[in-house]
Amino acid sequence: EVQLVESGGDLVQPGRSLRLSCTTSGLTFGDYAISWVRQAPGKGLEWVGFIRSEAYGETTEYGASVKGRFTISRDDSKSIAYLQMNSLKTEDTAVYYCTREAPVYCGADCRNDYWGQGTLVNVSS
Amino acid sequence: SYELNQRLSVSVALGQTARITCGGNNIGSKNVNWYQQRPGQVPVLVIYSDTSRPSGIPERFSGFNSENTATLTISRAQAGDEADYYCQVWDSRSAVFGGGTKLTVL
Repeated sequence: EVQLVESGGDLVQPGRSLRLSCTTSGLTFGDYAISWVRQAPGKGLEWVGFIRSEAYGETTEYGASVKGRFTISRDDSKSIAYLQMNSLKTEDTAVYYCTREAPVYCGADCRNDYWGQGTLVNVSS
Repeated sequence: SYELNQRLSVSVALGQTARITCGGNNIGSKNVNWYQQRPGQVPVLVIYSDTSRPSGIPERFSGFNSENTATLTISRAQAGDEADYYCQVWDSRSAVFGGGTKLTVL
């Protein structure tokens, strides 16, 4: 059974940093791209960014609202993906989900077929 | 940046057919995914690549995509279908979600 579990969410002051982890099991982690998606309280889904598999150089893409502040990385030996969030703003307050992008080596046909339960990041002074 | 437009809300009578649309410039040339998010729950993929259903998704859910509009159709609507529905595409190396449509089953 494929599972993704996020951790690291916390209450943090504006301007500070936080790192989220996405621990996975039940999948050949290294074959898949991993995305992060967030949802502010009472709002819709917002794509944060994703990291391709090693076969595609573990390259990353980011949404405009987080580009330059957030960094996604992965450790295939541990089947874990990370979201490093710097210079946090109050508008970054949201539940953060990690998701698996399918199929393997997907491109324009990528879809988020498995989601974690999410972890809450609250940016407030 | 690419934009996807969804109506804020749609209502459907129990047992009838609901249609949720997603508008975008030439969206017919892209692969559209649809996600269902019930209150307090994690999003679930219900349609991918315009028309395909993941295993475990009822046949009552179907999708279509042409020109500037993609449509998610839910036949024989049930109370359990009441949820927020989001469309999604990939455009220029980034994913885009629509704003979501709240489906109410009357």
